[in-house]
Amino acid sequence: ETGVTQSPTHLIKTRGQQVTLRCSSQSGHNTVSWYQQALGQGPQFIFQYYREEENGRGNFPPRFSGLQFPNYSSELNVNALELDDSALYLCASSSFQRNYGYTFGSGTRLTVV
Amino acid sequence: AQKVTQAQTEISVVEKEDVTLDCVYETRDTTYYLFWYKQPPSGELVFLIRRNSFDEQNEISGRYSWNFQKSTSSFNFTITASQVVDSAVYFCALSEGAGSYQLTFGKGTKLSVIP
Repeated sequence: ETGVTQSPTHLIKTRGQQVTLRCSSQSGHNTVSWYQQALGQGPQFIFQYYREEENGRGNFPPRFSGLQFPNYSSELNVNALELDDSALYLCASSSFQRNYGYTFGSGTRLTVV
Repeated sequence: AQKVTQAQTEISVVEKEDVTLDCVYETRDTTYYLFWYKQPPSGELVFLIRRNSFDEQNEISGRYSWNFQKSTSSFNFTITASQVVDSAVYFCALSEGAGSYQLTFGKGTKLSVIP
């Protein structure tokens, strides 16, 4: 059983740029969620995808968007980066049955300068 | 609206001491799920336990135990005989409803176990 892997592990971008973060979900998990974790805070829900469609969104602007692919991989895209977007971005996958907890990746540390 | 409060920001204990991490939640749903996650310095959130709102039985797993009390909306986590490897940030989280996967996290409690 594979875990959740995220790439890259660290990234530095300039304000105004665009970034794409990638996640490979655990095999058999058809639901993926993305979270933003600012330093010293708990993770904040960005959105979730089920069967390649967004079916839940937190309080994040439209410049945060995502994709989920048939092979259970997914992407988080952020346009027009702002300094406050600097955070750890976590991907979590789960099966529909939710028989066990969500499996999180180690995250991508994004720094916007 | 759902909310999770972890009032303890940081706790330090000496190895082999017992420690309890507090979690208080707010929700209007009658069906919900509660979770605890451990976040070591590597950043990955490690799943510890999931409990649904209809199961108030306390659970023990090795040195870990959880006390779920709906009357006080609390889901506290106790580590018995703490070890240095228990040092991490611990998060309590809530998921409302039967169809939602959104987790609402508390701000976390940083536990330091001193040898």
